[in-house]
Amino acid sequence: DAGVTQSPTHLIKTRGQQVTLRCSPKSGHDTVSWYQQALGQGPQFIFQYYEEEERQRGNFPDRFSGHQFPNYSSELNVNALLLGDSALYLCASSLAGPNTEAFFGQGTRLTVV
Amino acid sequence: AQSVTQPDIHITVSEGASLELRCNYSYGATPYLFWYVQSPGQGLQLLLKYFSGDTLVQGIKGFEAEFKRSQSSFNLRKPSVHWSDAAEYFCAVGARGSTLGRLYFGRGTQLTVWP
Repeated sequence: DAGVTQSPTHLIKTRGQQVTLRCSPKSGHDTVSWYQQALGQGPQFIFQYYEEEERQRGNFPDRFSGHQFPNYSSELNVNALLLGDSALYLCASSLAGPNTEAFFGQGTRLTVV
Repeated sequence: AQSVTQPDIHITVSEGASLELRCNYSYGATPYLFWYVQSPGQGLQLLLKYFSGDTLVQGIKGFEAEFKRSQSSFNLRKPSVHWSDAAEYFCAVGARGSTLGRLYFGRGTQLTVWP
């Protein structure tokens, strides 16, 4: 059973560019959440998708957007990249319902230069 | 406002020694509680979780945690640490509800194990 898979694993972008990160949830999971983890910090919630809609959003600007596809996979898009967007981006999947847990992928390391 | 505090940024223990990592939270009601572990450059692996019931929960790799409502704490323990336990540990909380929403994480505790 494949867990949560993210691609790419590493990425280098220039300031002002746009980037798309991808996530495939654990088999059977229907909810995807994205987190940003800056160096030396805990993960910060960006947003959560369920039934192809954004259900919750953290304190991130509109430059951060996402999408969920009918097969539950998800994309995170970041426009107009800033140096401060350099971080590990983590995708987590879960099954909708009470008493569930989130499983995390290995992350995408984004470096903005 | 919801928050999670891990007061110890870095802890060093000898292999075979016992371990306790502290976690305190601020939340409107009793939340779901989790401990995750992260090895360098890796994602997060769930160690254990508390939803309800017995306040002492067992997890993987010999870890356990105790929920203390009066202290708003969920400390992680292990009786005998192995060198492979060296990693970063994160405490997280999530709202109780019809589904699991956002998680709030502490800033983490880095564990170093001396041989």
